Amino acid sequence: KAGVTQTPRYLIKTRGQQVTLSCSPISGHRSVSWYQQTPGQGLQFLFEYFSETQRNKGNFPGRFSGRQFSNSRSEMNVSTLELGDSALYLCASSLRGPYNEQFFGPGTRLTVL
Amino acid sequence: AQSVAQPEDQVNVAEGNPLTVKCTYSVSGNPYLFWYVQYPNRGLQFLLKYITGDNLVKGSYGFEAEFNKSQTSFHLKKPSALVSDSALYFCAVRDLLTDKLIFGTGTRLQVFP
Repeated sequence: KAGVTQTPRYLIKTRGQQVTLSCSPISGHRSVSWYQQTPGQGLQFLFEYFSETQRNKGNFPGRFSGRQFSNSRSEMNVSTLELGDSALYLCASSLRGPYNEQFFGPGTRLTVL
Repeated sequence: AQSVAQPEDQVNVAEGNPLTVKCTYSVSGNPYLFWYVQYPNRGLQFLLKYITGDNLVKGSYGFEAEFNKSQTSFHLKKPSALVSDSALYFCAVRDLLTDKLIFGTGTRLQVFP
């Protein structure tokens, strides 16, 4: 089975721009979660989608948004980029259910200049 | 609220020696606990989980974890460390109220030859 894929792997943007990151989950997984990882803040939960609906949301400003398509692929968008948005953005997919582990993609490294 | 704590930022161990990476949790109800490992510039990889049953859980790469309800701990262990085990390790607990996966701050394991 193919793993979780994320594109692009690396991205460099300037302040004020917007960015869209993409995630393709493992086949059969309908739950997709997004995390932001920074050295200072660790792993922070952004949001989770299941069956095209946002099920959970973390404590991030409205500049961070996402969506999920009918094939379970997900995108996240960050508008009006700030320097502090520089981070590794991780996507994870899983089967629905609290006892199921999440499978992570390799991440997208976003650098905001 | 559910939470996990990883009290050590870094653990150093010599190759061939046993290793322990500590994790304590705080939950209401039965805990669903997970361990993940992150190698440099990679996403997180699932190691093992405790849902119910045996307190000693075996996982990937020779790792195991011991669930201790009285001490609310879920320490990760390996009998003989390898240099290749050097990585960042995350403990996580499932928040059954929100269904979010709550991660600890991570412990960097350094195995010296």
